[in-house]
Amino acid sequence: EDKVVQSPLSLVVHEGDTVTLNCSYEVTNFRSLLWYKQEKKAPTFLFMLTSSGIEKKSGRLSSILDKKELFSILNITATQTGDSAVYLCAVEATGNQFYFGTGTSLTVIP
Amino acid sequence: NAGVTQTPKFQVLKTGQSMTLQCAQDMNHNSMYWYRQDPGMGLRLIYYSASEGTTDKGEVPNGYNVSRLNKREFSLRLESAAPSQTSVYFCASSPARVKAFFGQGTRLTVV
Repeated sequence: EDKVVQSPLSLVVHEGDTVTLNCSYEVTNFRSLLWYKQEKKAPTFLFMLTSSGIEKKSGRLSSILDKKELFSILNITATQTGDSAVYLCAVEATGNQFYFGTGTSLTVIP
Repeated sequence: NAGVTQTPKFQVLKTGQSMTLQCAQDMNHNSMYWYRQDPGMGLRLIYYSASEGTTDKGEVPNGYNVSRLNKREFSLRLESAAPSQTSVYFCASSPARVKAFFGQGTRLTVV
């Protein structure tokens, strides 16, 4: 059965801390792995990863994929209260299907 | 550019009532999806449509029907709503091999 597992389920940190969110997957016919940030409404896209070992960066956020060990991490440095959200990991498989993890709920305390 | 538009944004139904959630995208994407999101469950796929005229069941299709009316529109119907269908529903669309674009969601409460 195809599945995507995220950890931790929730995390509370102080502003300025660095956090690492994990996503492991078992999905046949893997095509890409995506990270989304969800605040109150629809998820917004962060990164799409297709190749192992190539880090994607956007400001204080970065992500990397390991296709051999079947996982990805999302790093957020110097966290701010605006980073508080649920972070979703999804894997795209052949046939344009997406499998989502349950998300990691991040709370950043001032 | 509106992207993915869902209507309505909020809905309260009584058990046994029926309703249709509408979704339209203006990005000429082939694939469209309906998800539901429940606390602690993440997003779960209800149905998807890889192209106009085709639909396939996802992870949790029971109690739902869909219709891909044309390339732009993909509707989700609840024939006889149940309290277990209280959830937030997201429609999404995607061109081949690229990220999915989401609508803003429909919060449905079945009482």
